[in-house]
Amino acid sequence: DSGVTQTPKHLITATGQRVTLRCSPRSGDLSVYWYQQSLDQGLQFLIQYYNGEERAKGNILERFSAQQFPDLHSELNLSSLELGDSALYFCASSVEDHLTGELFFGEGSRLTVL
Amino acid sequence: GIQVEQSPPDLILQEGANSTLRCNFSDSVNNLQWFHQNPWGQLINLFYIPSGTKQNGRLSATTVATERYSLLYISSSQTTDSGVYFCAGVGGNDYKLSFGAGTTVTVRA
Repeated sequence: DSGVTQTPKHLITATGQRVTLRCSPRSGDLSVYWYQQSLDQGLQFLIQYYNGEERAKGNILERFSAQQFPDLHSELNLSSLELGDSALYFCASSVEDHLTGELFFGEGSRLTVL
Repeated sequence: GIQVEQSPPDLILQEGANSTLRCNFSDSVNNLQWFHQNPWGQLINLFYIPSGTKQNGRLSATTVATERYSLLYISSSQTTDSGVYFCAGVGGNDYKLSFGAGTTVTVRA
């Protein structure tokens, strides 16, 4: 158990819909990272938050957005869903802003868009 | 971010065999990790190894930071070792782990 909690574990929805994925970091961690793993793209970095502020942005689509709340949990919002958004979405957390130590991942949220 | 190249892309082993997985980086890294993704999709931390050698049971890893590569050794492989092995690193002023494409390992009984 990494200590990073993600919900829901599985989600099936239709094209055009909107979903929210939730992540609770390990106790004491201030940074949250979101990654997307699709079959043909590997693990792609989406976005990082540190103590409520956006720190780094990767290949995140404009239809996607994220935020980190004062209690440090984070949500990833995916809207106007397309078939190609079907993927495993991982959240990870660390103590630092600039990652120098080990990164721990949650079990992922598997999104299927039909 | 840095580019991470893993080899081989696929590996089929007979139970009990040894193997070496390699990871090359396009630039120097100050953070390097190896992960195992099991058939259920979970990413399991294997090693945090920006330099040097570490061992954990039948697995060991070596990173030669000056030459920008890392190796993961699997000895006496078991069917439970099957899955995808990823290496990932953080380079320079980057904030995130950049992942390689992974090595898919299949261990046959």
